[in-house]
Amino acid sequence: AQTVTQSQPEMSVQEAETVTLSCTYDTSESDYYLFWYKQPPSRQMILVIRQEAYKQQNATENRFSVNFQKAAKSFSLKISDSQLGDAAMYFCAYGGSGTYKYIFGTGTRLKVLA
Amino acid sequence: DTGVSQDPRHKITKRGQNVTFRCDPISEHNRLYWYRQTLGQGPEFLTYFQNEAQLEKSRLLSDRFSAERPKGSFSTLEIQRTEQGDSAMYLCASSLDRDQETQYFGPGTRLLVL
Repeated sequence: AQTVTQSQPEMSVQEAETVTLSCTYDTSESDYYLFWYKQPPSRQMILVIRQEAYKQQNATENRFSVNFQKAAKSFSLKISDSQLGDAAMYFCAYGGSGTYKYIFGTGTRLKVLA
Repeated sequence: DTGVSQDPRHKITKRGQNVTFRCDPISEHNRLYWYRQTLGQGPEFLTYFQNEAQLEKSRLLSDRFSAERPKGSFSTLEIQRTEQGDSAMYLCASSLDRDQETQYFGPGTRLLVL
């Protein structure tokens, strides 16, 4: 069975600085996809970034980028130029090929300090 | 607003009562998912619909839980004889009818069973 592990329950970053959130996963599949979702307090979960396992190039979305290490089964999220609005719970999720359900990690709470 | 919507956003009920939640997916999305999120945890998959067909159910979905999507549009999740352990956030997501499509989440229904 696939698992997703986020080992950092909470992280803090100064405004305008860079922070990296860690995620590791375990799977025997070769074709899958990975996500980072952001869940602000009392607001809905929104997609931050998505990575297909077959793509070697790391995904980037504006200030958000990932470091995808397939052999190490690692999928970290880097947030550059952190803003106050980045404060939220961040969830790493795994989606397997041919399955419908996502498997989520336990989340990392990001605090942004002014 | 063309996102996923859920109603109600909050529900407080007494143990033993029945509750029903509604989810309206993004209009062109044929796939619909229900997840449950407890405090400090990531969402856990409950069930999945493709159009009106319920194709997968998690073992988390006990016989007190039933989900429907009668016309392939909105979906309802009913919990009968609620227990305190049912207290959680119930999330709905939807996606296009293609494999490996990104799931988009609604704001959730927060249930508190007293």
